[in-house]
Amino acid sequence: KQEVTQIPAALSVPEGENLVLNCSFTDSAIYNLQWFRQDPGKGLTSLLLIQSSQREQTSGRLNASLDKSSGRSTLYIAASQPGDSATYLCAVDTGGFKTIFGAGTRLFVKA
Amino acid sequence: KAGVTQTPRYLIKTRGQQVTLSCSPISGHRSVSWYQQTPGQGLQFLFEYFSETQRNKGNFPGRFSGRQFSNSRSEMNVSTLELGDSALYLCASSLEPGGLVKTQYFGPGTRLLVL
Repeated sequence: KQEVTQIPAALSVPEGENLVLNCSFTDSAIYNLQWFRQDPGKGLTSLLLIQSSQREQTSGRLNASLDKSSGRSTLYIAASQPGDSATYLCAVDTGGFKTIFGAGTRLFVKA
Repeated sequence: KAGVTQTPRYLIKTRGQQVTLSCSPISGHRSVSWYQQTPGQGLQFLFEYFSETQRNKGNFPGRFSGRQFSNSRSEMNVSTLELGDSALYLCASSLEPGGLVKTQYFGPGTRLLVL
């Protein structure tokens, strides 16, 4: 059974700091991994999708990496801003065509 | 291009009642997935529909059901509501179900409160 774990559960950093969010999954047989952002009481916004054959994806200040063999992904946020404050979720698409989400990391960037 | 829309946005029901939530996917998207999000359990997959057929189902009781119409709009129904059904229900659409490239676009959700 696929399980997705995100560490840390919460993180508070000063503005301008670079940071890394971690996601691990138990079954390496995935189709893709996606990072989402969720603002309080709202839906999810897709940030980056990494296909199973890819190693990383970049969008602006965000970089996501994928290591299927070790069951790990990281989301790197450069030069963090207060507007980055949100909950970040990673999700894997499994061979059963189900999307399994981690519990998320709540990020607070202090001005 | 309009995003995923969900109606209603907020809903208050009492135990034992039933509820129907609606989701309109992005134009051209044929796959719709439903998720339940609670503080305790996080985001859990309910089911996915593609071309009016349920493609996959999560581990939820039979009280949770759904359907998809020919225009790809989807509804989910919860019968005999329980207090534990209080949650944010999210709908996501994508071009195709599952597989190699599946960017899901989420709606704002319907917040259901069961009293």
